Amino acid sequence: KQEVTQIPAALSVPEGENLVLNCSFTDSAIYNLQWFRQDPGKGLTSLLLIQSSQREQTSGRLNASLDKSSGRSTLYIAASQPGDSATYLCVVNDYKLSFGAGTTVTVRA
Amino acid sequence: DAGVIQSPRHEVTEMGQEVTLRCKPISGHDYLFWYRQTMMRGLELLIYFNNNVPIDDSGMPEDRFSAKMPNASFSTLKIQPSEPRDSAVYFCASSLPGAVGEKLFFGSGTQLSVL
Repeated sequence: KQEVTQIPAALSVPEGENLVLNCSFTDSAIYNLQWFRQDPGKGLTSLLLIQSSQREQTSGRLNASLDKSSGRSTLYIAASQPGDSATYLCVVNDYKLSFGAGTTVTVRA
Repeated sequence: DAGVIQSPRHEVTEMGQEVTLRCKPISGHDYLFWYRQTMMRGLELLIYFNNNVPIDDSGMPEDRFSAKMPNASFSTLKIQPSEPRDSAVYFCASSLPGAVGEKLFFGSGTQLSVL
């Protein structure tokens, strides 16, 4: 059974600092990996989707890397802003979706 | 596109009552997923459909839970009878044709409270 772990569970940084969120998974035979953002009381918004054949994906200030062999993905958010405060979830797809518990990020103004 | 639409946004009911949650996926998406989110267990997949056909319902916790997708634009998740431990946020998600979980799009969720 695929186990997805996100570390740290919570993170608080001052505005402008770069964020590094980690996701690890136990079975490397994955189809793709997706990072989501969840705001309190709201649904999940897709940020980046990395296919198993890719090493990274970028969108604006966001960059996600994937190292399938070691079972790791990292989400980098450059120059964080208070609006980046949210919970970030990693979802691993090995033809069944497995969710991490999330990292709750607080960016202090 | 309006995205995945769920209703109601909030539902408060008493134990033993029937609850029906509704979902309208994004037009053209042929996968539809129902998830439940709690603080203790995180996000759990309950059931998913492909082309209106239930593919995997192994996550449905009990026979009290049932889901239907009568057509490509509508799905329901029903709990009968409801219990306090069913209190959670229920999310519906849809994705494009191609494969399971290919770029998921989530609705805003239904916050269910069973008293």
